[in-house]
Amino acid sequence: EDKVVQSPLSLVVHEGDTVTLNCSYEVTNFRSLLWYKQEKKAPTFLFMLTSSGIEKKSGRLSSILDKKELSSILNITATQTGDSAIYLCAVLSNNDMRFGAGTRLTVKP
Amino acid sequence: GAGVSQSPSNKVTEKGKDVELRCDPISGHTALYWYRQSLGQGLEFLIYFQGNSAPDKSGLPSDRFSAERTGGSVSTLTIQRTQQEDSAVYLCASKWGLAGGGDTQYFGPGTRLTVL
Repeated sequence: EDKVVQSPLSLVVHEGDTVTLNCSYEVTNFRSLLWYKQEKKAPTFLFMLTSSGIEKKSGRLSSILDKKELSSILNITATQTGDSAIYLCAVLSNNDMRFGAGTRLTVKP
Repeated sequence: GAGVSQSPSNKVTEKGKDVELRCDPISGHTALYWYRQSLGQGLEFLIYFQGNSAPDKSGLPSDRFSAERTGGSVSTLTIQRTQQEDSAVYLCASKWGLAGGGDTQYFGPGTRLTVL
């Protein structure tokens, strides 16, 4: 059965810290991996990763996919209180889209 | 325990037909969301149910879309007179608590809708 596992489930840091969130997957017919940030209603799209080893970057956020290890990491540097959210990882295959449980990040002042 | 389930997993329909998508949330979860994921786009919020309150329909793209949640549990998303641009993966998620409360949403496997 396809599955997506995120770790840690919860993380508390202080402003300025750097965090690394993990996502591992087991799916057949992998197409891409997506990262989202969810604060309220709907998750906000962050990155879509299709190719292994190519880092995608947006401001203080970056992410990379490792197809050999079937995993991805999301890095956030110089964290701010506004980064507090649930970060979701999802894997798109030929058959469906499967989400992980998310990592709840809390950034304290 | 059982997670969120959705049916059917795949649906192919002809333009102009109506479709119904079903979501069975995790037992006891009071909040239920419908989203859709179109190819190459981000996750789009459609509608949100919380307990017995009136649903938040602000994300429904047109009046062809409607959703119900019976008995605070199972939800059905109905798309009338389907169009090709309705083709997407429709995702349902449920959670404890109120929107913005920070609790994790549990997603179903989605229904892949293809409108020919």
